[in-house]
Order: sequence, then structure tokens, then C-alpha cells
Amino acid sequence: SQQGEEDPQALSIQEGENATMNCSYKTSINNLQWYRQNSGRGLVHLILIRSNEREKHSGRLRVTLDTSKKSSSLLITASRAADTASYFCATDEWGAQKLVFGQGTRLTINP
Amino acid sequence: DAGVTQSPTHLIKTRGQQVTLRCSPKSGHDTVSWYQQALGQGPQFIFQYYEEEERQRGNFPDRFSGHQFPNYSSELNVNALLLGDSALYLCASSWGQGAGYTFGSGTRLTVV
Repeated sequence: SQQGEEDPQALSIQEGENATMNCSYKTSINNLQWYRQNSGRGLVHLILIRSNEREKHSGRLRVTLDTSKKSSSLLITASRAADTASYFCATDEWGAQKLVFGQGTRLTINP
Repeated sequence: DAGVTQSPTHLIKTRGQQVTLRCSPKSGHDTVSWYQQALGQGPQFIFQYYEEEERQRGNFPDRFSGHQFPNYSSELNVNALLLGDSALYLCASSWGQGAGYTFGSGTRLTVV
């Protein structure tokens, strides 16, 4: 079963603009992770935010986590054509030993 | 430092046949998880192996089975293939709990 609900399902922006994707989940979590997938290939781990963290940065990526609302957002600043991909949030529940993925957001960066 | 290696890359099988997919984890990782990703969907957890035993299992039928070897590599076996088993099968390795996972590039299985 999919826990995460991602919004929007698809996003198309111009190069240089910022892209924001949102994720909601249902249960208590240990951490939440964001992954990128290019053209149906393997997933690339982008960033992990623990349940006791509210915000985390990595390069052009900024992730926020609101455990009271059970939601997270991924912001990609100054987007590039190479950022075109599908982005997935995945929750890691306490003791569950597995990731539960959302449906993903398809991001297209137009040159 | 090699990441997660999966083989084969692509596979075409006939309905009713059996298939074995292979995964070598990232160096230093001792846990292997398998996921199924249907077209346009997010990955779904199949099972996880640690210390050569299945530690956790998702909502998949017994036709899906696995194995982990002493060198931490793993196999995913699917028996009596159905058309609906066509998907990208992803292997992920990790060390410990609560850490990020490293995914392989996947095996694209097509059942005809």
C-alpha cells in the first residue's frame, strides 16, 4: 500500500525557477526520505530528514517536515534541465524495516 | 566504491515461467530489500533480508521468494509468472536502521 500522497502529480516549469513538491503521510515515522528517478531507472537518494528535524538543506535542495500535519515539502531552487525526473517521498516507520513510497511527482524543466 | 549491482538489466519471460533476479549490495551494507515498481507508480516493498533471513515482508504472494547469501548478495525468485508481474524490480541495500538506502538501476521484467 502507498502511504505518501504527493502533490502535484506533474509539474512543468522554466529553467531557473524554483520547484516545490509536497508529500503527506499517515503514520508515525522515524524519518522521511526523498528520491529522484530518471526515466524509470534506479532511485537516487537525495536527502533524509529525521522526525525530530524540521528543515534540512543539501545544495539546491531544501526539505521541510511537519510531523503535526504529517507532511513534507521538497524545494529545488534555480532548477536546471538535468533536474527533469520523477521525485518520490518515502517514509521509514519505526521498526518497520521498509520504505513506503508515494506515487511521485513528475518534474519537467523547460529550457 | 561500487554501488548496488543488479542483473540482468532486462528480461522477457513467458506467463507461467519462473525467474531469478540478482543483487549485489553496496560495499559495507548488510541488508538487502526488494521493491516492485509498476509503470507510473511508486515502488512497493516486497521483502527485506538481513543475516540471510527474511526480516520483513510486504503484501506479496508466496510466488515471490528470496534468498540472501553469506556475502550479503541476494536473489529474488518469482514462480508461475503472471502478466501483472511485469514491472521494474529494484534492489536496495542499507546498513543498520533509519539510514538512507542505496538503490540499484533495476531489472525490467516483461511477462508475455
